[in-house]
Amino acid sequence: AQSVTQPDIHITVSEGASLELRCNYSYGATPYLFWYVQSPGQGLQLLLKYFSGDTLVQGIKGFEAEFKRSQSSFNLRKPSVHWSDAAEYFCAVGSSGGSYIPTFGRGTSLIVHP
Amino acid sequence: GAGVSQSPSNKVTEKGKDVELRCDPISGHTALYWYRQSLGQGLEFLIYFQGNSAPDKSGLPSDRFSAERTGGSVSTLTIQRTQQEDSAVYLCASDKQGTSTEAFFGQGTRLTVV
Repeated sequence: AQSVTQPDIHITVSEGASLELRCNYSYGATPYLFWYVQSPGQGLQLLLKYFSGDTLVQGIKGFEAEFKRSQSSFNLRKPSVHWSDAAEYFCAVGSSGGSYIPTFGRGTSLIVHP
Repeated sequence: GAGVSQSPSNKVTEKGKDVELRCDPISGHTALYWYRQSLGQGLEFLIYFQGNSAPDKSGLPSDRFSAERTGGSVSTLTIQRTQQEDSAVYLCASDKQGTSTEAFFGQGTRLTVV
């Protein structure tokens, strides 16, 4: 069964600092990987996704993520955080063939200090 | 419509009552998911519809929960004899799958059982 681990429940950074949110997955084949962001009271918005090809994926709002098969990781990064990035971030894994049901991690809450 | 629409946005119900939550997916999306998000928790998969195939109900927590999807479009999640532990945000997502697979989420229905 597929699973996702986001080891950090909360992350606090200062505005302008760099950010890395960790995500580890468990899946037997090549996974589809996603990062979503959820602002308070909102639904989830896709930041970026990895299916195949280049392991460094660029997303919206200046985010990027790198797929590392050897580490079963898909960490999300941003070089300079803005106050508006404060939100809940979810990593998800889906299967690479047939029907798939995204499995989500528990989320990481990002707090941005001015 | 332009996005996934869920109604109502908020629902307060008395313990023991039945509730129905509605989801209007994006037109043309063949896949539809229901997830539950409890306070401080990640997204818990409930049920998955794909085209005319039998739904994957493996995530439904008890037989009090059921869902249907009429005409391959609108879906209704029904919770019978609600309990306080059913209080959560219920999120619906739709997806056209294939090589462009990406789940688009609604804003959710916040259910409070008192």
